[in-house]
Amino acid sequence: GQQLNQSPQSMFIQEGEDVSMNCTSSSIFNTWLWYKQDPGEGPVLLIALYKAGELTSNGRLTAQFGITRKDSFLNISASIPSDVGIYFCAGHSRDFGNEKLTFGTGTRLTIIP
Amino acid sequence: EPEVTQTPSHQVTQMGQEVILRCVPISNHLYFYWYRQILGQKVEFLVSFYNNEISEKSEIFDDQFSVERPDGSNFTLKIRSTKLEDSAMYFCASRDSGDRTEAFFGQGTRLTVV
Repeated sequence: GQQLNQSPQSMFIQEGEDVSMNCTSSSIFNTWLWYKQDPGEGPVLLIALYKAGELTSNGRLTAQFGITRKDSFLNISASIPSDVGIYFCAGHSRDFGNEKLTFGTGTRLTIIP
Repeated sequence: EPEVTQTPSHQVTQMGQEVILRCVPISNHLYFYWYRQILGQKVEFLVSFYNNEISEKSEIFDDQFSVERPDGSNFTLKIRSTKLEDSAMYFCASRDSGDRTEAFFGQGTRLTVV
């Protein structure tokens, strides 16, 4: 089946630092989505990417849809305490005739005081 | 802002009992989903539902699971005979039709099977 691997698995940074995480797949996706999950909560959509090569920003967040359609990255600039959480990439592919999001393994972000 | 709502937020049930998890998707959305997340693990797809029928289901979604849209607003997940390994967070999600595949998630129901 389709698998999405995220790296790094976890990050420990200081407030104010920039963060970069990525997601790679064995399969092509038509859409890449990035979600953030706080403990005990549902995933919250951060950014959606629809075209290969697309670079999209949402405030301090920037994400790109890789040219090969098999990868994506998410950058967070000038991290703040509320950025703490787990970040998931998710891919959607219509090529297989399916209707689901496949989630990545997650990157846990921790801010060290 | 419209949101997906799920009830209950937490359900404790005995092994072998039936549970029904309820969801109210965003009102003009047409695709509905259930996902599961075992503690500390990634979000796993269970089933998608469109036009009053299942679009796709995963290997996890076996005969003990079923989904229903009993009226114009609710979307339910029934687990017929719960097992200990069904303990997880269950998330409902919905999206609009067409090319926008952004799915919006509810807050989840924490199911604990004892």
